[in-house]
Amino acid sequence: EAGVAQSPRYKIIEKRQSVAFWCNPISGHATLYWYQQILGQGPKLLIQFQNNGVVDDSQLPKDRFSAERLKGVDSTLKIQPAKLEDSAVYLCASSLDGTGLNTEAFFGQGTRLTVV
Amino acid sequence: GEDVEQSLFLSVREGDSSVINCTYTDSSSTYLYWYKQEPGAGLQLLTYIFSNMDMKQDQRLTVLLNKKDKHLSLRIADTQTGDSAIYFCAEKRSGGYNKLIFGAGTRLAVHP
Repeated sequence: EAGVAQSPRYKIIEKRQSVAFWCNPISGHATLYWYQQILGQGPKLLIQFQNNGVVDDSQLPKDRFSAERLKGVDSTLKIQPAKLEDSAVYLCASSLDGTGLNTEAFFGQGTRLTVV
Repeated sequence: GEDVEQSLFLSVREGDSSVINCTYTDSSSTYLYWYKQEPGAGLQLLTYIFSNMDMKQDQRLTVLLNKKDKHLSLRIADTQTGDSAIYFCAEKRSGGYNKLIFGAGTRLAVHP
């Protein structure tokens, strides 16, 4: 079974530029998560989708971050404009169904963003 | 608060046991997890425990849960150099769409 695919693996941009990350979850997984992992910290949930609807975006900085999952499969996360403090690894994860009590989340390798 | 807390660093000798500790915040959390992250890789689920259990054993891994104190631990028996990684504790908080909250991670270094 193919895992969660993310691209690109690495991205370096200047502050105030925009950037987009792509995620392809495991086939059949209804729930998709985007996490931000700043160096030395644990992953922080940015947004959670159930199919193509947003169920939690309470920690997404909506003035600069946006995400979509139009057909309930792939997802993109965009930052516009980027700030230095956005430097982090952006992890995508998916699970069969986020409403279940124990639904294992499978993680991609992440995209490492450096803002200079 | 939101925080799941872990000690940041643990160093053990190869062959010894490692114990990584975690405290969580939400007494209604349903499942508690341990994830492993190797350099440049995503998070890999190691094991989990349901909140009504005290202990779970899975080969070299033993998870202990003290629900009263909201304390979780992971014991790795016969620690090997391949166990060197960052270990994250996470709690799944109950609610309509379960939210997974992670600690900052414990870096385990295994030396000869």
